[in-house]
Amino acid sequence: GQSLEQPSEVTAVEGAIVQINCTYQTSGFYGLSWYQQHDGGAPTFLSYNALDGLEETGRFSSFLSRSDSYGYLLLQELQMKDSASYFCAVYNQGGKLIFGQGTELSVKP
Amino acid sequence: ETGVTQTPRHLVMGMTNKKSLKCEQHLGHNAMYWYKQSAKKPLELMFVYSLEERVENNSVPSRFSPECPNSSHLFLHLHTLQPEDSALYLCASSQSRPSNNYGYTFGSGTRLTVV
Repeated sequence: GQSLEQPSEVTAVEGAIVQINCTYQTSGFYGLSWYQQHDGGAPTFLSYNALDGLEETGRFSSFLSRSDSYGYLLLQELQMKDSASYFCAVYNQGGKLIFGQGTELSVKP
Repeated sequence: ETGVTQTPRHLVMGMTNKKSLKCEQHLGHNAMYWYKQSAKKPLELMFVYSLEERVENNSVPSRFSPECPNSSHLFLHLHTLQPEDSALYLCASSQSRPSNNYGYTFGSGTRLTVV
């Protein structure tokens, strides 16, 4: 079967750092992706990791360990506008994107 | 605007109605997808079209019928739906292979309510 586990919700304050973890179990694995979705909006692509290690894009970084079937999204210098749902998603065999349940991040002043 | 346009944004339909959702992309992508997003559930992959050919149907009931007339347009035809089909229906497009620079581009979705 296929499953992705991530926390359902996380709360942090402005300016802080937050890490959202994701563990996965899938049939075939090509890479791990992260998407952000604001209320009522389209999910938007944040990052993609095909190889082990850390990928940095501005305030956001994403990490992958294929041997541990684990990854995380790191958000630094949190801003109020970062309040949203964050989904990890696995590209499985055939290159299809399978999503986790999403983590609702609330950033407080 | 993401580059993937979905219409209508909101739809209320009775269980005996027939309606269609439309998705359009002009990003030059060659794969298109339908996802269903219900409250407190992961996005569920429904259908995949690659180069206008349906390559996956994830055990979706026959009351949902997709159509991909060309690489820029995707439809989801709906008939005799049930109240539990009420959800946000998201269309996405991509190149066939993922990369570090981009992934799927999603539309803003159609919020469907079945009464």
